[in-house]
Amino acid sequence: IAGITQAPTSQILAAGRRMTLRCTQDMRHNAMYWYRQDLGLGLRLIHYSNTAGTTGKGEVPDGYSVSRANTDDFPLTLASAVPSQTSVYFCASSEGTSGDEQFFGPGTRLTVL
Amino acid sequence: GQNIDQPTEMTATEGAIVQINCTYQTSGFNGLFWYQQHAGEAPTFLSYNVLDGLEEKGRFSSFLSRSKGYSYLLLKELQMKDSASYLCAVRDSNYQLIWGAGTKLIIKP
Repeated sequence: IAGITQAPTSQILAAGRRMTLRCTQDMRHNAMYWYRQDLGLGLRLIHYSNTAGTTGKGEVPDGYSVSRANTDDFPLTLASAVPSQTSVYFCASSEGTSGDEQFFGPGTRLTVL
Repeated sequence: GQNIDQPTEMTATEGAIVQINCTYQTSGFNGLFWYQQHAGEAPTFLSYNVLDGLEEKGRFSSFLSRSKGYSYLLLKELQMKDSASYLCAVRDSNYQLIWGAGTKLIIKP
């Protein structure tokens, strides 16, 4: 592994189902982030983690939860998917939280029907 | 509220120069980033400005004026591979990135 990986690449999901998007990084970065990207809108932060064991809410956290049990993994869970959660989801990481650039995973395209 | 404004789309000719502007109003300022995103791919880092002035990196330069809440990305000697969206993002007082919707740059031969 080199960088950040996300799984699955794409998924079609029935409304009401539970879904976990996986994110793993091998750069030993302290901070990790989940964004959603919708057409015509900027990337919007869902949840973040500044270091293993801590998480925080971003701009659009409702309907999503995260955990950060270790440095490498940062899964995003949709407890009961709704069609408005149809989006492209990007996981990102950075070494710190100040001026460090964020490195992005390849994204997961999620469709909720 | 927090707001990042960029033009939705721009068109330029191969070999030419293009300037993509970004204006921002955010709660606090801790740096401004430019990212490139090709269609269907992840954003990749281009530049970071925290002090006023111009940062040059090869064909790409980025400028910041904190007093005006303004930045631009300058791309020189345009190549077809520069066709992409360019995202402006500001790190706010909570050290979170606030993103603009991006500028789609179309390069014509």
